[in-house]
Amino acid sequence: EPEVTQTPSHQVTQMGQEVILRCVPISNHLYFYWYRQILGQKVEFLVSFYNNEISEKSEIFDDQFSVERPDGSNFTLKIRSTKLEDSAMYFCASSFDVEQYFGPGTRLTVT
Amino acid sequence: QKEVEQNSGPLSVPEGAIASLNCTYSDRGSQSFFWYRQYSGKSPELIMFIYSNGDKEDGRFTAQLNKASQYVSLLIRDSQPSDSATYLCAVISNSGYALNFGKGTSLLVTP
Repeated sequence: EPEVTQTPSHQVTQMGQEVILRCVPISNHLYFYWYRQILGQKVEFLVSFYNNEISEKSEIFDDQFSVERPDGSNFTLKIRSTKLEDSAMYFCASSFDVEQYFGPGTRLTVT
Repeated sequence: QKEVEQNSGPLSVPEGAIASLNCTYSDRGSQSFFWYRQYSGKSPELIMFIYSNGDKEDGRFTAQLNKASQYVSLLIRDSQPSDSATYLCAVISNSGYALNFGKGTSLLVTP
């Protein structure tokens, strides 16, 4: 069964550094998403991407964040200058229609 | 702020019993509703979604939607210890992209 994959599984970075989180969505899916979950809190929407552009973004997704689909398979989330409060699990998801399937996540730790 | 509310639990049921998980939402215009399961330290796993009033069954799972009462529930029949997890209710945004999650209900199925 096709799955969303994410790399790395765990990323440790220093405050102020740039990080890129990578995702390979399910191959025939058209919609791509990033969510985050701070430890002990609910899953929060960051951004959705369709037809090579952002279709929706939340208040969390400020100028420090960007997304890109650099080729036909990868979908990336860049955090330009990480803050301590960016420490969270970051989940990529993809969908063909409304049903969103999540990848295993990248745990980002900002020190 | 559009809210999705769930009792945090834990909800404890004996093996073989029916577990009933509830969710209310604030946006009367919401159209589609999703149930995800999340094991500790793992990503959300889609169980099922519902968009019409009434019941929708998939194996041991039944989702129930009452738009007039702004209420969604998930019934798990013949509960197994492997069903012990946090169950997340999510409502899709009016744009059709973002999932707005509740905080989840922790379910414990005791042998």
